[in-house]
Order: sequence, then structure tokens, then C-alpha cells
Amino acid sequence: DIVMTQSPDTLAVSLGERATINCKSSQSILYSSNNKNNLAWYQQKPGQPPKLLIYWASTRESGVPDRFSGSGSGTDFTLTISSLQAEDVAVYYCQQYYITPYTFGQGTKLEIK
Amino acid sequence: QVQLQESGPALVEPSETLSLTCTVSGGSISNYYWNWIRQPPGKGLEWIGYIYFTGTTNYNPSLKSRVTISVDTSQNQFSLKLTSVTAADTAMYYCARANSGIWGQGTMVTVSS
Repeated sequence: DIVMTQSPDTLAVSLGERATINCKSSQSILYSSNNKNNLAWYQQKPGQPPKLLIYWASTRESGVPDRFSGSGSGTDFTLTISSLQAEDVAVYYCQQYYITPYTFGQGTKLEIK
Repeated sequence: QVQLQESGPALVEPSETLSLTCTVSGGSISNYYWNWIRQPPGKGLEWIGYIYFTGTTNYNPSLKSRVTISVDTSQNQFSLKLTSVTAADTAMYYCARANSGIWGQGTMVTVSS
């Protein structure tokens, strides 16, 4: 199985500041045929299902604010929130869909400092 | 817009079979892959498996011996069966359209006598 490791486990950021969450896969998830990384980022708030933010590592889902961005390739990926808003408090997960079993990172809890 | 709704018993006795159904509304189940994903209380996300509308399946090896996912295109539904459940199977169970942000709200299943 591909192991997805996120860092940090918990992140506290001041409102308006940048938040950066990292995700590392145990093997490359770059699909050579289309040169796309099979990585998604989700946001989950209490009592809600995960919400898709980013797919193909850097493509923002429709309706997601542009303060959310994804980057990286191969095995190292980053989710960046450029200016933290109060409503961004949540747990964030990365997920690889390169090969089954699809696997998720352990989650990063984002808090307000 | 496409919506998903999970349904099934909230309480299952140990050693019994967990059975859930996901109803797809606002669109067709055809031509898509459909996932089951679960999340134990306070923990991360685990992919259970997927089914294509033709009936092709792929399961997480960690659950493969106990899992069956099936599809009923006439009812626009797909289902999950998990046999020989234990307390470790207590979780929120989500259905989702693969490679999309379309998820159900989830249904909590508790395994207890």
C-alpha cells in the first residue's frame, strides 16, 4: 500500500496568515501517461463529510476559494491557504488515487492561533 | 445536482453482517465508479472499495475477505455488505462518486450487542 504521511499533525495559524500542510507519499503518484499527480486534498469540519478542495494535486474544485492552492509532484505535496479565515478551521486530508487501495494521510488539524 | 444518501441499520450485533445502501439521485449511476469509505469515531478515513456501474469491483485487501459491493442500476443504488463485524467496524460510513466531490452525508454504524 502507498503510505501517505502528513505534517504537521496540528497547525495553529493566526487569522490572515499563511497555512501550509505537507503530504508525502511512500512512492511516486505521478501518472506518466498524462503527467498528472493522482493526489487530492479534502477539508473536513465536525459532523460533515469531507469536502474536496484540490485534485490532480493542484486543480481547485469548482467553488473552492482561491486562497486554497495545491502544489508538488512525485512524492511531496503541499496544501497552502494563503490567508487563513475563521471558517478554514478543520481537519485536512490528502489522498492518493494512483493505485488501489486508495489511501489517506492521517489528517492535519488546523486551528486559529 | 447529484446527491447521495446512505441508508441502513445504525446498530449491528457482533459477528453479524453490516448492510448499507447508497441511493443516487439527480443523476445516473451509469458510467461512473462509486466508492465506500469509512471513518471510525475521532479517526481518519479508510477506503473500503469501489464498484463500476457494470459491476466491476475493487476492494481494500484489509477488508477483502469480508466485503461485497454490489450495484442495482434499475434502482440507481449501490450497496455494501461487511460480514463478521466487530467493534473495530464501528464507524461513519460514506458513499461517494469516485474522483469527485460528491459524497453522502454518511451514516453512523455501531457494532454492539
